[in-house]
Amino acid sequence: QSALTQPASVSGSPGQSITISCTGTSSDVGGYDFVSWHQQHPDKAPRLMVYDVSYRPSGVSNRFSGSKSGNTASLTISGLQAEDEATYYCISYTRSAALVFGGGTKLTVL
Amino acid sequence: EVQLVESGGGVERPGGSLRLSCAASGFTFDDFGMSWVRQVPGKGLEWVSGINWNGVSTGYADSVKGRFTISRDNAKNSLYLQMNSLRGEDTALYHCARDTLGIRGAFDIWGQGTMVTVSS
Repeated sequence: QSALTQPASVSGSPGQSITISCTGTSSDVGGYDFVSWHQQHPDKAPRLMVYDVSYRPSGVSNRFSGSKSGNTASLTISGLQAEDEATYYCISYTRSAALVFGGGTKLTVL
Repeated sequence: EVQLVESGGGVERPGGSLRLSCAASGFTFDDFGMSWVRQVPGKGLEWVSGINWNGVSTGYADSVKGRFTISRDNAKNSLYLQMNSLRGEDTALYHCARDTLGIRGAFDIWGQGTMVTVSS
């Protein structure tokens, strides 16, 4: 179970759009539509932002959207706001009936 | 209020054991899969183990397989993690999390965590 690969950091200005990638293999991201994204602010519990690749839970802004192509899933945040500054983690179901997180991406809103 | 509250953390020596508990309230516990996720302070999230709604299906990270055991008691609305043969690298904040759809990583409710420190 190797961790999924995410960029360590991304940044954007308010109002802009950014995309965070999450790369795995055909045994995890590429093999199942069970990829979720979680947002974590410092010293807070994580919050679910997207599940099953592209579905948003109730209460999550439609500025957050998810997609997948091959072995890479992506989270796009449009209309960046200051409160979006946080660390984002992807997680995927794997062929061995386990789950694996990405290393996390720190988003800075400039 | 939908809530998960962890307990059972503490300081233990290498090779020792701890049992974590997670008390659920505010929702129908046996409608959901559950997982344990840990985080070393300042580091990333690591999935540890998950269990489906009736306890029949479980999964473990390679790093804990054979040492940790997940279980649940739906009558008590509780989730457990039995941690044996503890190692220094098990030191972390342990969260329990509700999975909306079995063991799929869609954790829509998280507890605040219980700290486990493994040190001699």
